[in-house]
Amino acid sequence: NAGVTQTPKFQVLKTGQSMTLQCAQDMNHEYMSWYRQDPGMGLRLIHYSVGAGITDQGEVPNGYNVSRSTTEDFPLRLLSAAPSQTSVYFCASSYRDRWRTEAFFGQGTRLTVV
Amino acid sequence: AQKITQTQPGMFVQEKEAVTLDCTYDTSDQSYGLFWYKQPSSGEMIFLIYQGSYDEQNATEGRYSLNFQKARKSANLVISASQLGDSAMYFCAMREGQGTLGRLYFGRGTQLTVWP
Repeated sequence: NAGVTQTPKFQVLKTGQSMTLQCAQDMNHEYMSWYRQDPGMGLRLIHYSVGAGITDQGEVPNGYNVSRSTTEDFPLRLLSAAPSQTSVYFCASSYRDRWRTEAFFGQGTRLTVV
Repeated sequence: AQKITQTQPGMFVQEKEAVTLDCTYDTSDQSYGLFWYKQPSSGEMIFLIYQGSYDEQNATEGRYSLNFQKARKSANLVISASQLGDSAMYFCAMREGQGTLGRLYFGRGTQLTVWP
């Protein structure tokens, strides 16, 4: 049971480059989300999805795109990387309609934009 | 306004002692859930404990307990008999409402250091 798998674990980008952070879960969770973690800021929601074909913005969506073509996958795209996007990114998934379920997190992607 | 407030950036506790990490929340919903996560230096997010807004008893999971005071909107984490391996960042989080089930709001975290 792999849980939530994020790739890559580390990435260095040059300003202006684009890339996709991959996230896959094998628990048949409806809800998936992307967070970024910055020092002293906790985790902030970037985008989320309540099911295949449905996505919405979180607190800090600018500069990021998402899509959800399958239940399992929820990639995060950086369109034109900026130094302000240097952060640790977490993908998480959970059941949609069960209050007691916790969110399962991937291992995180440490992204540096130079 | 922040939905989750953790006022202790850092806490220190001696091994085998108990420690309380503070968390207050802000919501107008009647239904919500409160979570605590641990993040060790390796970076992964580890779920510790959950408290539902309608739960009448405080949640407990092994050495972790949640001191839930609904009227005060506080959900403090109590770690009993601290161990060196408890040194980590701890995050309080809340899930609220019916329309966005799954969305979590996080506090800024408390860095706990356990010393021998």
